[in-house]
Amino acid sequence: NAGVTQTPKFQVLKTGQSMTLQCAQDMNHNSMYWYRQDPGMGLRLIYYSASEGTTDKGEVPNGYNVSRLNKREFSLRLESAAPSQTSVYFCASSLWKGNTEAFFGQGTRLTVV
Amino acid sequence: RKEVEQDPGPFNVPEGATVAFNCTYSNSASQSFFWYRQDCRKEPKLLMSVYSSGNEDGRFTAQLNRASQYISLLIRDSKLSDSATYLCVVNTGDDYKLSFGAGTTVTVRA
Repeated sequence: NAGVTQTPKFQVLKTGQSMTLQCAQDMNHNSMYWYRQDPGMGLRLIYYSASEGTTDKGEVPNGYNVSRLNKREFSLRLESAAPSQTSVYFCASSLWKGNTEAFFGQGTRLTVV
Repeated sequence: RKEVEQDPGPFNVPEGATVAFNCTYSNSASQSFFWYRQDCRKEPKLLMSVYSSGNEDGRFTAQLNRASQYISLLIRDSKLSDSATYLCVVNTGDDYKLSFGAGTTVTVRA
């Protein structure tokens, strides 16, 4: 089983460029999440989608937008990348929101120069 | 104050040793508790859920202390393969949010 698939795995952007991180899950999960992980900070929630058709801001949403394209897919867009967005981004999904196991994609290592 | 705090370690232990560490959480309304494991440069994976009465999974034992608002993880008979960062994860009572600690690094040496 593929589980949660993220693309790309690595990306280097120049300041001001835009890009979209793609995420898809094949587990028929209802909830999907985008996190960023920075050294010493733990994973911080950027946006989440509790179910198809809904999206909400998490802890650190500024500079990002999301789209829940369908039940399987949840994308994260950086409209104008900044060096502060250099991070490792993880997409995750869970059957239901918050209190069930979350499965993570392999991560996207993004560097903004 | 961070919602979930962990001792970052590292805990350096020899094979076969027992290692234990805690995690504290700030929201007394927290409902669900988990330990995730993260290997270097990889994605986090669920190690075990933590139940109110405490629970074991092989060499791993998790405990919850609601009064003092902490959870613990104990690893017995450490293996080299246990070397990883262990993330404490707490559902804060909001219906969507899992709050992650920054992780405790464990290194098991031969």
